[in-house]
Amino acid sequence: EPEVTQTPSHQVTQMGQEVILRCVPISNHLYFYWYRQILGQKVEFLVSFYNNEISEKSEIFDDQFSVERPDGSNFTLKIRSTKLEDSAMYFCASSEQGREKLFFGSGTQLSVL
Amino acid sequence: AQSVTQLDSQVPVFEEAPVELRCNYSSSVSVYLFWYVQYPNQGLQLLLKYLSGSTLVKGINGFEAEFNKSQTSFHLRKPSVHISDTAEYFCAVTLISNFGNEKLTFGTGTRLTIIP
Repeated sequence: EPEVTQTPSHQVTQMGQEVILRCVPISNHLYFYWYRQILGQKVEFLVSFYNNEISEKSEIFDDQFSVERPDGSNFTLKIRSTKLEDSAMYFCASSEQGREKLFFGSGTQLSVL
Repeated sequence: AQSVTQLDSQVPVFEEAPVELRCNYSSSVSVYLFWYVQYPNQGLQLLLKYLSGSTLVKGINGFEAEFNKSQTSFHLRKPSVHISDTAEYFCAVTLISNFGNEKLTFGTGTRLTIIP
């Protein structure tokens, strides 16, 4: 079965540094998402992306966050200046039909020191 | 806004015993309901979903769930569990709308541990 690929699996960074989390969605999918899960807490929605623009974003997704689909295959999440509270597992997801079936990647564990 | 409650953070069950993982939701409008499973070191995988029709939904790996509108519940069940069912299980909801890209709202997850 095709799968969503995320790199790296673990990322350690210093507070204030920029990080880019990378995702390769399934090739014929049109809807793209980022979710995150802080240890012990709920999986939270960050942003959805369709037709080369953001469809919806949560309160978490402030000016420090951005998403991009630079080359038609990758889907990236950038955090410009990381904070301690950004430490979490970040999941990328893609879908052919929107919310009815999302395929998730295995996540990137981001640790901000 | 919608919300999901999974009261049981951890559920230990003996192998071949039945299991029920509880999920309750809150929403002022109609929702679609989902169960996702996360095996160790893997991403979330769709287990089953309720969109409409029969309230008893069957999913992969022998799991099923029943949508109960009056109880606002969507509990997940399996009559006989296997070691390979050890995983984290997440209940999720999304609003029914014409906009197909609605976000999922997840519960906190239930860690199912199967005891040999």
